[in-house]
Amino acid sequence: QKEVEQNSGPLSVPEGAIASLNCTYSDRVSQSFFWYRQYSGKSPELIMSIYSNGDKEDGRFTAQLNKASQYVSLLIRDSQPSDSATYLCAVSEYNQGGKLIFGQGTELSVKP
Amino acid sequence: DTGVSQDPRHKITKRGQNVTFRCDPISEHNRLYWYRQTLGQGPEFLTYFQNEAQLEKSRLLSNRFSAERPKGSFSTLEIQRTEQGDSAMYLCASSSLRQGADTQYFGPGTRLTVL
Repeated sequence: QKEVEQNSGPLSVPEGAIASLNCTYSDRVSQSFFWYRQYSGKSPELIMSIYSNGDKEDGRFTAQLNKASQYVSLLIRDSQPSDSATYLCAVSEYNQGGKLIFGQGTELSVKP
Repeated sequence: DTGVSQDPRHKITKRGQNVTFRCDPISEHNRLYWYRQTLGQGPEFLTYFQNEAQLEKSRLLSNRFSAERPKGSFSTLEIQRTEQGDSAMYLCASSSLRQGADTQYFGPGTRLTVL
């Protein structure tokens, strides 16, 4: 059974701090990695995708991928109260139709 | 708004009734996925279509669940003889092979409550 593991949290950080969210996955053939943000009662919203080892930055968000360690992370710089949400890590294999395997999500709370 | 729409947004039904949900994907997207999400968990894959062909169905999925995408556009998910354990958020997502295949955009979801 392919697994994606995240700490459920809650992770609490003060406003303006860096929030670090981590995810590990069990299947070495996973090729694509995604971070989704989900507000309470809403559907997942895509934040970042990453396919190659290293860092990928988009605004205040940086995704980091280490395939050797089977580890992907999301850093949120200058955290804002509006970033308070559950962050879902998802992985897929291209030759498996692209279906996503999700972690259980990490709840982030940014305190003013 | 991602461009993926779902209807209805909420459904309350009694145990044993049948329910049907609809998903309209982003118009140029040829892949359509259904997921189910319960409280405190990440979405769980149910099934997916490429155009009108249903290419995979989760082995964990009861045979009370059926999905169709008759013309390769919208899709329906039917649950027969609903059970209280079917209560969840049902999410639809779409993606395009021509745009990198597996970047999926989710609709707003249909929240099902089985009494």
